[in-house]
Amino acid sequence: EADIYQTPRYLVIGTGKKITLECSQTMGHDKMYWYQQDPGMELHLIHYSYGVNSTEKGDLSSESTVSRIRTEHFPLTLESARPSHTSQYLCASSRGFNYGYTFGSGTRLTVV
Amino acid sequence: ELKVEQNPLFLSMQEGKNYTIYCNYSTTSDRLYWYRQDPGKSLESLFVLLSNGAVKQEGRLMASLDTKARLSTLHITAAVHDLSATYFCAVDIQGAQKLVFGQGTRLTINP
Repeated sequence: EADIYQTPRYLVIGTGKKITLECSQTMGHDKMYWYQQDPGMELHLIHYSYGVNSTEKGDLSSESTVSRIRTEHFPLTLESARPSHTSQYLCASSRGFNYGYTFGSGTRLTVV
Repeated sequence: ELKVEQNPLFLSMQEGKNYTIYCNYSTTSDRLYWYRQDPGKSLESLFVLLSNGAVKQEGRLMASLDTKARLSTLHITAAVHDLSATYFCAVDIQGAQKLVFGQGTRLTINP
């Protein structure tokens, strides 16, 4: 049973549209992360949060933004989607470095 | 900047054989993680290695960490088809609690 949920699972959207990818976890973890992954390739950190009202940009430059108003919720927003945003987006949370990350099932985004 | 490199990137092997995947990283860290990803799926945690000399085993997989050499290995014993997947190592940036991932090793096990 998943404790971290991402919706939608798949999304096909036109260029220029605004989209929000949802991520929620029920484990009470303070730390949450967004990674971008092209199929079969390595993961790149795009945003992270260490708690409510804390957000930071990751190592990969991204045109997306995030918010963390509640511990359990960490949505990612693209104001104007482009074909270059086509990728898989993985959300993760962690209760501390002794435990690693728990990943959601991912959102596969296609921008046409 | 922390770099994490896996070797090999692609591995095709026969059932019953043994093999090792290597994970090298470029800066000091004593926390390393291994994950498995099946095609089209998310990542599943396999091992958490938190100190020099740490060794963890689960079934046919065994992982170890040498922080002095900045090297971790994932050893597969008597491979079976169900182990076919992509395996990622990830290193925690010391003090930052952010994981940097390797490129992944795509493992295919043939009958």
